[in-house]
Amino acid sequence: NAGVTQTPKFRVLKTGQSMTLLCAQDMNHEYMYWYRQDPGMGLRLIHYSVGEGTTAKGEVPDGYNVSRLKKQNFLLGLESAAPSQTSVYFCASSNQGEAYNSPLHFGNGTRLTVT
Amino acid sequence: AQSVTQLDSQVPVFEEAPVELRCNYSSSVSVYLFWYVQYPNQGLQLLLKYLSGSTLVESINGFEAEFNKSQTSFHLRKPSVHISDTAEYFCAVSMYNNNDMRFGAGTRLTVKP
Repeated sequence: NAGVTQTPKFRVLKTGQSMTLLCAQDMNHEYMYWYRQDPGMGLRLIHYSVGEGTTAKGEVPDGYNVSRLKKQNFLLGLESAAPSQTSVYFCASSNQGEAYNSPLHFGNGTRLTVT
Repeated sequence: AQSVTQLDSQVPVFEEAPVELRCNYSSSVSVYLFWYVQYPNQGLQLLLKYLSGSTLVESINGFEAEFNKSQTSFHLRKPSVHISDTAEYFCAVSMYNNNDMRFGAGTRLTVKP
């Protein structure tokens, strides 16, 4: 059972380039999330989705866009990468129902470096 | 919004010694509390959670945490640690009807032989 799968695992971008991170889950979860993890700051929520076709902003949404065209996929886009977006990005999903008290299932992360 | 403070960024401890990882939260409403563990090069995994009921919650691998409402704390403890417990531990808090789960900065637990 795959759970939450993130691609790619590593990426190096130059400032101003664009890219899309893909998250796929096979647990039929309604809720999906994108977090970034930075040293000393824990995880911060970028965007999330409560169902297919819906997205919402989290704590640090600027510079990112997301789409949830299919229930199992949640894409995170960087239109014009900046060095401040160097981070480890985690996708997570949770069960249908009361997402605020459901544990999150995480992927293994994407390490992004912007030079 | 709710917030989480993990009071120690690093905790070194010898094998078989007890350990406590401290977590305090701030919120004006009822909260749900979680501890997650992250092993090197992996995503976070749920360790234990407090939703309601008994204030003492336990995990399958010997960790426990106690919800203390008056002190707004949710400290994680283990009476005897193993080398395999070496990892980073994150405390997290969410609120009713709010999808924004907030994480602490993490505590790196290093168990030495």
